[in-house]
Amino acid sequence: DAKTTQPNSMESNEEEPVHLPCNHSTISGTDYIHWYRQLPSQGPEYVIHGLTSNVNNRMASLAIAEDRKSSTLILHRATLRDAAVYYCILRAPGNTPLVFGKGTRLSVIA
Amino acid sequence: DSGVTQTPKHLITATGQRVTLRCSPRSGDLSVYWYQQSLDQGLQFLIQYYNGEERAKGNILERFSAQQFPDLHSELNLSSLELGDSALYFCASSALPPDTQYFGPGTRLTVL
Repeated sequence: DAKTTQPNSMESNEEEPVHLPCNHSTISGTDYIHWYRQLPSQGPEYVIHGLTSNVNNRMASLAIAEDRKSSTLILHRATLRDAAVYYCILRAPGNTPLVFGKGTRLSVIA
Repeated sequence: DSGVTQTPKHLITATGQRVTLRCSPRSGDLSVYWYQQSLDQGLQFLIQYYNGEERAKGNILERFSAQQFPDLHSELNLSSLELGDSALYFCASSALPPDTQYFGPGTRLTVL
């Protein structure tokens, strides 16, 4: 499986935008970029995914570099509820399992 | 609420014992995945079933087995338990497409 590299931890102030980076230099042409997050004491939760173009949904935006070797998850206004571990995952198309790395632990300060 | 249910929520047992964890996927989802989360190994994929058939296998020990029943619920059986099997076990389900996985709340297994 192609690997992703994320910072171990990041900190943000409440109400500020947060940019969570992910490097994936060995991504294959068919790999989708998925983001999941895990809130404390809960199961992982889907955030967003994309292939080549930038994507927006009600939770976040995903900006994908033109060469697809990196991507950034953008939370437009962090809230205390967004404090979680965020996982950037490369996934082949189809019903394939998720391969989780260590993720980025996001702390949000009031 | 993801729509995926797991029972029991907590399980405490002794080494050498056998336990069964149960997962009910979201209505209509044919794929079920099992993951293990421990402090030292992080979240690891164990096994996937699709409409009753084994589809993919990850780092699942031979002491562990799973199955998916005709009503699509799944069970993960863990036997000859060791202290190191203490972990959170998550089940997830998905539908084709877009393959988004929805995770249950997990079962916390403690082996004493």
